[in-house]
Amino acid sequence: DVKVTQSSRYLVKRTGEKVFLECVQDMDHENMFWYRQDPGLGLRLIYFSYDVKMKEKGDIPEGYSVSREKKERFSLILESASTNQTSMYLCASSFGPIYEAFFGQGTRLTVV
Amino acid sequence: DQQVKQNSPSLSVQEGRISILNCDYTNSMFDYFLWYKKYPAEGPTFLISISSIKDKNEDGRFTVFLNKSAKHLSLHIVPSQPGDSAVYFCAARPSGGATNKLIFGTGTLLAVQP
Repeated sequence: DVKVTQSSRYLVKRTGEKVFLECVQDMDHENMFWYRQDPGLGLRLIYFSYDVKMKEKGDIPEGYSVSREKKERFSLILESASTNQTSMYLCASSFGPIYEAFFGQGTRLTVV
Repeated sequence: DQQVKQNSPSLSVQEGRISILNCDYTNSMFDYFLWYKKYPAEGPTFLISISSIKDKNEDGRFTVFLNKSAKHLSLHIVPSQPGDSAVYFCAARPSGGATNKLIFGTGTLLAVQP
């Protein structure tokens, strides 16, 4: 079974802190994604990566950056956390363009 | 601008009956549609998909219907079970992309009453 693991289930951070969310997948998938889920807004794509060191902006990249130094690991970085970044963050991976994405368990981030 | 819309935030159904979840899209350039199911405090899990060249796909109790002229898809669950209670997201993939980038709807909370 594909496993996508996010480093934390719950995080509480202060406004202005730099925050790192880590995601690791164990199936050699090419594509990795970061989404956030908010009530009434569904899942919105922040960034995705289709290869090591390659990244593309999604629909809401402002305030975020990403890093993919190794194929199995995709990190989401909040440069200076703000309260409007309080959300559920979901990492996903997929093998290629015709396969469904597999999601991690999510990280509930609260910025105070 | 929401390209994939789920206009019903919630749905309540009796156990054993049919659940019908609906999804509308505005972009004709989607080539693949998927349904995901999400329990609280867990990540979404893939349920069923359909290619834009088909109008129906069935997997056990789950059937997805695609009406391209109406830009509408629906998920039928028959018979519904209490364990089906979850948030259901439809998703669409833009055609021609090299990645599996998906655009998600806002979700529908299904409650199956025993």
